[in-house]
Amino acid sequence: KQEVTQIPAALSVPEGENLVLNCSFTDSAIYNLQWFRQDPGKGLTSLLLIQSSQREQTSGRLNASLDKSSGRSTLYIAASQPGDSATYLCAPNTGNQFYFGTGTSLTVIP
Amino acid sequence: DVKVTQSSRYLVKRTGEKVFLECVQDMDHENMFWYRQDPGLGLRLIYFSYDVKMKEKGDIPEGYSVSREKKERFSLILESASTNQTSMYLCASSLYGWGEMETQYFGPGTRLLVL
Repeated sequence: KQEVTQIPAALSVPEGENLVLNCSFTDSAIYNLQWFRQDPGKGLTSLLLIQSSQREQTSGRLNASLDKSSGRSTLYIAASQPGDSATYLCAPNTGNQFYFGTGTSLTVIP
Repeated sequence: DVKVTQSSRYLVKRTGEKVFLECVQDMDHENMFWYRQDPGLGLRLIYFSYDVKMKEKGDIPEGYSVSREKKERFSLILESASTNQTSMYLCASSLYGWGEMETQYFGPGTRLLVL
Protein backbone atom coordinates (compact mmCIF):
# COMPACT_ATOMS: atom_id res chain seq x y z
CA LYS A 1 0.00 0.00 0.00
CA GLN A 2 1.21 3.47 -0.84
CA GLU A 3 2.41 5.46 2.18
CA VAL A 4 2.58 9.24 1.83
CA THR A 5 4.45 11.55 4.20
CA GLN A 6 4.36 15.32 4.20
CA ILE A 7 6.94 17.44 5.97
CA PRO A 8 6.60 19.78 7.76
CA ALA A 9 3.21 19.16 9.35
CA ALA A 10 2.84 22.88 10.03
CA LEU A 11 4.63 25.98 8.81
CA SER A 12 4.32 29.64 9.74
CA VAL A 13 6.07 32.26 7.61
CA PRO A 14 5.95 36.05 7.20
CA GLU A 15 4.31 37.41 4.09
CA GLY A 16 6.59 37.59 1.07
CA GLU A 17 8.73 34.59 1.88
CA ASN A 18 9.35 31.79 -0.58
CA LEU A 19 8.69 28.34 0.84
CA VAL A 20 8.90 24.66 0.02
CA LEU A 21 6.53 21.90 1.04
CA ASN A 22 7.72 18.31 0.84
CA CYS A 23 5.94 15.09 -0.05
CA SER A 24 7.42 11.60 -0.10
CA PHE A 25 5.79 8.35 -1.17
CA THR A 26 6.84 4.70 -1.01
CA ASP A 27 5.56 3.27 -4.30
CA SER A 28 7.18 4.94 -7.30
CA ALA A 29 4.86 3.22 -9.81
CA ILE A 30 2.56 6.21 -10.10
CA TYR A 31 0.61 7.67 -13.01
CA ASN A 32 0.76 11.19 -11.64
CA LEU A 33 0.81 13.23 -8.46
CA GLN A 34 -1.67 15.92 -7.57
CA TRP A 35 -1.28 18.80 -5.12
CA PHE A 36 -4.41 20.07 -3.41
CA ARG A 37 -5.31 22.98 -1.20
CA GLN A 38 -7.89 22.71 1.58
CA ASP A 39 -9.34 25.66 3.46
CA PRO A 40 -10.74 25.00 6.95
CA GLY A 41 -14.00 23.06 6.85
CA LYS A 42 -14.01 22.87 3.06
CA GLY A 43 -13.33 20.34 0.33
CA LEU A 44 -10.11 19.95 -1.63
CA THR A 45 -9.21 22.16 -4.55
CA SER A 46 -6.73 20.90 -7.13
CA LEU A 47 -3.68 23.12 -7.57
CA LEU A 48 -1.33 21.21 -9.84
CA LEU A 49 -1.07 17.83 -11.47
CA ILE A 50 2.32 16.43 -12.49
CA GLN A 51 2.30 13.52 -14.87
CA SER A 52 4.74 10.68 -14.20
CA SER A 53 6.66 11.62 -17.36
CA GLN A 54 7.09 15.23 -16.20
CA ARG A 55 9.62 16.72 -13.82
CA GLU A 56 7.91 20.05 -13.13
CA GLN A 57 4.62 21.86 -13.44
CA THR A 58 3.96 25.54 -12.86
CA SER A 59 0.86 27.60 -12.17
CA GLY A 60 1.33 31.24 -11.27
CA ARG A 61 3.38 31.46 -8.07
CA LEU A 62 3.26 27.69 -7.60
CA ASN A 63 5.83 25.24 -8.92
CA ALA A 64 5.68 21.52 -8.28
CA SER A 65 8.49 19.08 -9.00
CA LEU A 66 8.47 15.32 -9.15
CA ASP A 67 11.31 12.82 -8.74
CA LYS A 68 9.45 9.60 -9.26
CA SER A 69 12.41 7.27 -8.81
CA SER A 70 13.19 8.62 -5.36
CA GLY A 71 9.54 8.98 -4.38
CA ARG A 72 9.59 12.72 -3.78
CA SER A 73 7.66 15.79 -4.79
CA THR A 74 7.97 19.39 -3.68
CA LEU A 75 5.61 22.33 -3.92
CA TYR A 76 7.33 25.68 -4.12
CA ILE A 77 5.29 28.79 -3.30
CA ALA A 78 6.87 32.08 -4.31
CA ALA A 79 6.22 35.40 -2.58
CA SER A 80 3.72 33.97 -0.11
CA GLN A 81 0.56 35.91 0.73
CA PRO A 82 -1.91 35.67 3.66
CA GLY A 83 -4.44 34.21 1.22
CA ASP A 84 -2.13 31.21 0.78
CA SER A 85 -2.90 30.14 4.35
CA ALA A 86 -4.45 26.68 4.08
CA THR A 87 -3.57 23.01 4.33
CA TYR A 88 -1.73 21.56 1.35
CA LEU A 89 -2.02 17.88 0.50
CA CYS A 90 -0.24 15.74 -2.03
CA ALA A 91 -1.79 12.65 -3.61
CA PRO A 92 0.08 10.17 -5.81
CA ASN A 93 -2.12 8.15 -8.14
CA THR A 94 -1.13 4.51 -8.43
CA GLY A 95 -4.07 3.21 -10.43
CA ASN A 96 -7.69 3.82 -9.64
CA GLN A 97 -6.78 4.93 -6.14
CA PHE A 98 -5.32 8.16 -4.91
CA TYR A 99 -3.37 8.16 -1.66
CA PHE A 100 -3.15 11.23 0.52
CA GLY A 101 -0.65 12.61 2.95
CA THR A 102 -1.83 14.26 6.18
CA GLY A 103 -0.92 17.62 4.76
CA THR A 104 1.10 20.68 5.66
CA SER A 105 -0.79 23.44 7.45
CA LEU A 106 0.55 26.77 6.20
CA THR A 107 0.03 30.11 7.93
CA VAL A 108 1.28 33.25 6.20
CA ILE A 109 1.55 36.14 8.65
CA PRO A 110 0.80 39.64 7.29
CA ASP B 1 -16.12 22.89 -14.89
CA VAL B 2 -16.60 19.64 -13.06
CA LYS B 3 -19.03 19.93 -10.21
CA VAL B 4 -19.33 17.51 -7.33
CA THR B 5 -22.11 18.26 -4.88
CA GLN B 6 -22.91 16.72 -1.54
CA SER B 7 -26.41 16.72 -0.09
CA SER B 8 -25.60 18.36 3.23
CA ARG B 9 -22.81 20.55 4.58
CA TYR B 10 -23.64 19.80 8.22
CA LEU B 11 -25.55 16.92 9.72
CA VAL B 12 -26.38 16.00 13.32
CA LYS B 13 -27.65 12.48 14.02
CA ARG B 14 -28.26 10.28 17.03
CA THR B 15 -26.48 7.03 17.82
CA GLY B 16 -28.18 4.10 16.09
CA GLU B 17 -29.79 6.15 13.34
CA LYS B 18 -29.40 5.17 9.70
CA VAL B 19 -27.64 7.96 7.84
CA PHE B 20 -27.49 8.62 4.11
CA LEU B 21 -24.88 10.88 2.55
CA GLU B 22 -25.45 11.67 -1.10
CA CYS B 23 -22.94 12.74 -3.72
CA VAL B 24 -23.66 13.80 -7.30
CA GLN B 25 -21.21 14.60 -10.09
CA ASP B 26 -22.11 16.19 -13.41
CA MET B 27 -19.19 15.14 -15.66
CA ASP B 28 -20.03 11.55 -16.54
CA HIS B 29 -17.09 10.28 -14.48
CA GLU B 30 -16.63 6.53 -14.13
CA ASN B 31 -15.06 6.57 -10.66
CA MET B 32 -16.50 7.92 -7.45
CA PHE B 33 -14.98 7.84 -3.97
CA TRP B 34 -15.96 8.34 -0.35
CA TYR B 35 -13.33 9.45 2.18
CA ARG B 36 -13.44 10.46 5.77
CA GLN B 37 -11.05 13.03 7.15
CA ASP B 38 -10.01 13.22 10.79
CA PRO B 39 -7.37 15.42 12.44
CA GLY B 40 -3.97 13.77 12.37
CA LEU B 41 -5.18 10.87 10.23
CA GLY B 42 -5.64 12.61 6.90
CA LEU B 43 -8.02 11.33 4.25
CA ARG B 44 -8.90 7.67 4.47
CA LEU B 45 -10.73 5.85 1.71
CA ILE B 46 -13.97 4.19 2.78
CA TYR B 47 -15.32 2.86 -0.53
CA PHE B 48 -14.98 3.57 -4.19
CA SER B 49 -16.98 2.67 -7.27
CA TYR B 50 -15.66 2.29 -10.80
CA ASP B 51 -19.02 1.70 -12.49
CA VAL B 52 -22.73 1.60 -11.81
CA LYS B 53 -23.56 -1.07 -9.24
CA MET B 54 -19.84 -1.81 -8.76
CA LYS B 55 -18.04 -1.07 -5.51
CA GLU B 56 -14.73 -1.78 -3.87
CA LYS B 57 -13.78 -1.54 -0.22
CA GLY B 58 -11.23 1.01 0.73
CA ASP B 59 -9.10 1.09 3.84
CA ILE B 60 -11.87 1.56 6.42
CA PRO B 61 -15.18 0.10 5.16
CA GLU B 62 -16.41 -1.25 8.51
CA GLY B 63 -19.71 0.28 9.56
CA TYR B 64 -20.41 1.72 6.11
CA SER B 65 -22.07 0.61 2.91
CA VAL B 66 -22.50 2.31 -0.45
CA SER B 67 -24.90 2.41 -3.33
CA ARG B 68 -24.40 3.43 -6.94
CA GLU B 69 -27.61 2.92 -8.90
CA LYS B 70 -26.90 5.71 -11.40
CA LYS B 71 -23.58 6.79 -12.81
CA GLU B 72 -23.79 10.33 -11.44
CA ARG B 73 -24.82 9.45 -7.87
CA PHE B 74 -22.88 7.67 -5.14
CA SER B 75 -24.40 7.25 -1.70
CA LEU B 76 -22.67 6.46 1.57
CA ILE B 77 -24.80 4.71 4.19
CA LEU B 78 -24.10 4.47 7.88
CA GLU B 79 -26.29 1.53 8.85
CA SER B 80 -26.30 2.36 12.57
CA ALA B 81 -24.44 5.56 13.32
CA SER B 82 -21.97 5.56 16.18
CA THR B 83 -20.11 8.40 17.87
CA ASN B 84 -16.79 7.26 16.35
CA GLN B 85 -18.24 8.03 12.93
CA THR B 86 -18.30 11.72 13.74
CA SER B 87 -16.09 13.12 11.02
CA MET B 88 -15.78 15.14 7.84
CA TYR B 89 -16.92 13.09 4.84
CA LEU B 90 -15.61 13.97 1.40
CA CYS B 91 -16.86 12.68 -1.92
CA ALA B 92 -14.70 12.75 -5.06
CA SER B 93 -14.93 11.66 -8.67
CA SER B 94 -12.47 10.96 -11.47
CA LEU B 95 -12.87 10.13 -15.13
CA TYR B 96 -11.29 6.67 -15.22
CA GLY B 97 -8.80 6.40 -12.35
CA TRP B 98 -5.72 5.60 -14.38
CA GLY B 99 -3.61 7.53 -16.83
CA GLU B 100 -1.29 10.45 -16.52
CA MET B 101 -3.97 13.10 -16.84
CA GLU B 102 -6.32 11.57 -14.31
CA THR B 103 -7.55 14.11 -11.77
CA GLN B 104 -9.76 13.82 -8.72
CA TYR B 105 -12.47 16.40 -8.10
CA PHE B 106 -13.87 16.88 -4.65
CA GLY B 107 -17.18 17.99 -3.22
CA PRO B 108 -17.43 20.56 -0.40
CA GLY B 109 -17.67 17.92 2.32
CA THR B 110 -20.28 16.95 4.91
CA ARG B 111 -19.44 17.46 8.55
CA LEU B 112 -21.31 14.77 10.48
CA LEU B 113 -21.81 14.86 14.22
CA VAL B 114 -23.20 11.73 15.88
CA LEU B 115 -24.53 12.30 19.39
